[in-house]
Amino acid sequence: DGGITQSPKYLFRKEGQNVTLSCEQNLNHDAMYWYRQDPGQGLRLIYYSQIVNDFQKGDIAEGYSVSREKKESFPLTVTSAQKNPTAFYLCASSIESAGTILAKNIQYFGAGTRLSVL
Amino acid sequence: AQKITQTQPGMFVQEKEAVTLDCTYDTSDPSYGLFWYKQPSSGEMIFLIYQGSYDQQNATEGRYSLNFQKARKSANLVISASQLGDSAMYFCAMREVMTGNQFYFGTGTSLTVIP
Repeated sequence: DGGITQSPKYLFRKEGQNVTLSCEQNLNHDAMYWYRQDPGQGLRLIYYSQIVNDFQKGDIAEGYSVSREKKESFPLTVTSAQKNPTAFYLCASSIESAGTILAKNIQYFGAGTRLSVL
Repeated sequence: AQKITQTQPGMFVQEKEAVTLDCTYDTSDPSYGLFWYKQPSSGEMIFLIYQGSYDQQNATEGRYSLNFQKARKSANLVISASQLGDSAMYFCAMREVMTGNQFYFGTGTSLTVIP
């Protein structure tokens, strides 16, 4: 089955610790995204990547880092610089290859990771 | 200015009735896409329906339809024959061709279906 897998489902971070959230997709999608969702709010973009070895900051990138070494994988690291990391994190992907109608490229999401601070 | 506005934080609907969830958007790009997602309590975002800015017909997918009024910049989701499983958060989103890579999400509407 094709899809997006996020792990772990729940994650706890200690003070001063970096933690990494995993996102893997087998949809052969070009672009991948990380969003943060706080209670009662919509999704805010952290980082996105259109191709391997390239990524751009979103609206709330401070305190986060990413890598895109493989097309299938886009891990997110929540660093100790992120002072309020408790949130629900969603990874998404979309196909962006030439010939597609850009505005029509649907984002598909993983099941999310809930991060809490101990 | 907000790109996507959802003014209904919470909605209730009787089972088997229809319900409309409101969404207005703001863009100067003539080419854009509008999306609706459902987020059940489990957290996963499920794609429901898409409407392109140049589409002449309103989009429909099963019990979901999108009431697209381009001049008013609104893209309301209509759910017909509500089911208990429809209880969830619903998010409207937009993607502009000009900015290309970013989806803009509204703050969502919580729908509760009453038996």
